[in-house]
Amino acid sequence: DGGITQSPKYLFRKEGQNVTLSCEQNLNHDAMYWYRQDPGQGLRLIYYSQIVNDFQKGDIAEGYSVSREKKESFPLTVTSAQKNPTAFYLCASRNSMSPDTQYFGPGTRLTVL
Amino acid sequence: QKEVEQNSGPLSVPEGAIASLNCTYSDRGSQSFFWYRQYSGKSPELIMFIYSNGDKEDGRFTAQLNKASQYVSLLIRDSQPSDSATYLCAVKGGSGGSNYKLTFGKGTLLTVNP
Repeated sequence: DGGITQSPKYLFRKEGQNVTLSCEQNLNHDAMYWYRQDPGQGLRLIYYSQIVNDFQKGDIAEGYSVSREKKESFPLTVTSAQKNPTAFYLCASRNSMSPDTQYFGPGTRLTVL
Repeated sequence: QKEVEQNSGPLSVPEGAIASLNCTYSDRGSQSFFWYRQYSGKSPELIMFIYSNGDKEDGRFTAQLNKASQYVSLLIRDSQPSDSATYLCAVKGGSGGSNYKLTFGKGTLLTVNP
């Protein structure tokens, strides 16, 4: 069963704690992305990675960190430096072959108390 | 800064009518255009993509692109209550090395009334 998985679906953390969100894909896609969505807002790009061991900052990278040690995995860490971490986090992957489109995982809803 | 603008809605149409969703973009060099549907609490799912000027049809959905006017639209024919969702317009390519990134609009909420 191919696809993108994110875990957990819901996550609660206390303010000041770091938390890591999981994203795994078995689609053999090269590129992976992390987005953040706030209520009534579009998706904003946090980080993206086009190949293993390489990643670039998106539009709102401050307070976040990522790694890409394996092609299938692109975990996102929300650090205590992120001032407003409560949001819906979406991971996506892209097949660089045609059609050149991004597909999304089910998302993780993070609430910081 | 690239911008993608959508009317936030809500857009309300009766069942069986045509729903028309619009999107404008600021970067004239943008190359690829995507429409995603997002149900409440769920992740976006790709409906259509379009690269060339003109119309592209897929079932009840038609995407229209006019690069001269920097305008892309999505028409949904024979709208059904199950089409009620937020529709996100996304744009790729253009200036600033953005060939690998999508810029999203805030989305238009569509409600189809039975």
